[in-house]
Amino acid sequence: DTAVSQTPKYLVTQMGNDKSIKCEQNLGHDTMYWYKQDSKKFLKIMFSYNNKELIINETVPNRFSPKSPDKAHLNLHINSLELGDSAVYFCASSRPLGGSGEKLFFGSGTQLSVL
Amino acid sequence: KQEVTQIPAALSVPEGENLVLNCSFTDSAIYNLQWFRQDPGKGLTSLLLIQSSQREQTSGRLNASLDKSSGRSTLYIAASQPGDSATYLCAVNFGNEKLTFGTGTRLTIIP
Repeated sequence: DTAVSQTPKYLVTQMGNDKSIKCEQNLGHDTMYWYKQDSKKFLKIMFSYNNKELIINETVPNRFSPKSPDKAHLNLHINSLELGDSAVYFCASSRPLGGSGEKLFFGSGTQLSVL
Repeated sequence: KQEVTQIPAALSVPEGENLVLNCSFTDSAIYNLQWFRQDPGKGLTSLLLIQSSQREQTSGRLNASLDKSSGRSTLYIAASQPGDSATYLCAVNFGNEKLTFGTGTRLTIIP
């Protein structure tokens, strides 16, 4: 069983389109994240949700809108896609980080290419 | 500003050798630190997690150390194998509900 699964794995689209990436985890975790990995492989957090509530929004453009219908799912919708949005987007989950030590579990990534 | 740095960006080592990967961070008031492995086209796999109160953690051929006062962590890999080839990322929990990642070291084990 895949612990953190995200779909699609590859997404190729035209500039200006709207697209969504879905993520699901079956680990029973309360906290889920979206990370973006750029062409230089630098991984940076975009959002985190704890039990369906937004905890972190790292100055991501409003075109990116996460949605968490329940604590096992965190989807990412992107409006009006731009060339600079091309990257690999990773979903992850964990128990709440806070001051405790919790491992993050990552999905396999969605490679988004905006043409 | 809280930053995590990994040097070198790439490392090639003959099979069988022991090696050390380095990670440095700017703020010594950390909660914990994790080492991840990323294979091409794959997600990240957590290898070791060190709490701020710990000095090291071991798993098989891997040993991670933590020196908060100097802002450094190392990942020691013993008796390297070609299957160890991957990018290794260090990530620090500075206590702000998120992990801050380094840029990674791409490790190649030469058969």
